[in-house]
Amino acid sequence: DVRLVESGGALVQPGGSLRLSCAASGFTFNIYWLGWVRQAPGKGLEFVASIDKDGGEKYYVDSVKGRFTISRDDAKNSLFLQMNRLRVEDTAIYYCVRVVGTADRWGQGTLVTVSS
Amino acid sequence: DIQMTQSPSSLSASVGDRVTLTCRASQAISKYLAWFQQSPGKAPKLLVYAASRLETGVPSRFSGSGSGTDYTLTVSSLQPEDFVTYYCQQYYSIPWTFGQGTKVEIK
Repeated sequence: DVRLVESGGALVQPGGSLRLSCAASGFTFNIYWLGWVRQAPGKGLEFVASIDKDGGEKYYVDSVKGRFTISRDDAKNSLFLQMNRLRVEDTAIYYCVRVVGTADRWGQGTLVTVSS
Repeated sequence: DIQMTQSPSSLSASVGDRVTLTCRASQAISKYLAWFQQSPGKAPKLLVYAASRLETGVPSRFSGSGSGTDYTLTVSSLQPEDFVTYYCQQYYSIPWTFGQGTKVEIK
C-alpha cells in the first residue's frame, strides 16, 4: 500500500524556520512528482509546492515564494519542505501528496502553528 | 490564478437522496478537474479525476461530468458516510486551485 507519513510540524514563532519531512513507501518513489498542500484550521485546501521526479522543476504558490523550498531525497524515499520567515498565516496542517496528474495519495498531515 | 467556485457551500439531504454539487472555473480547464472527499480530522481522498474518471475503489454511486468551465459531482444515493465535505480542484495549471468546499449535512 502507498504510505506517506509527514513529520516535523511544531509551534514556532513568527519569523522562525521549520523543516517538514515526508517518508514514502509502497511505490516507486523516484518516478513520481510530489507536492505539499496545506489547510488552515477550519478552512479549505491550498497548493503550496510541487517538485518533478528529477528534482529539477519546482513550483510554489506566490505567498511562499522566496521563503519555502521543496526538495527530495530519492535514496531515502523522502520529500522535504524547508520553511523560513514563517508568518502567522502559514499556520495549517501540511499534507504531503503524490502527484499523478493531481494529488492521488495524501499523508495524514502535520500541524504547523506560527504564533508568538 | 484560476478561481474555482463551488455551489452550494452547504446542503441538507437525507440518506438515499440524489445530490449534485457544482464547480465552476474562471477559465476553461479542459477537464483537468478533480473531486476530493474529506471527513472531519482526516486527509482528503481523491474521488474523481479528469472530470469523470472514478478513482479505483470509489463506489459507483459517485459520478462526475462537465467540460469547459462547468463541472458537477453527483451522488446517486447518499449513504451515511457521504455526509462530509467535498472539494473540487483544477490541475490545468499551477498553482493548483481548489473550490471553497461543499458540506453535505444530514437533514
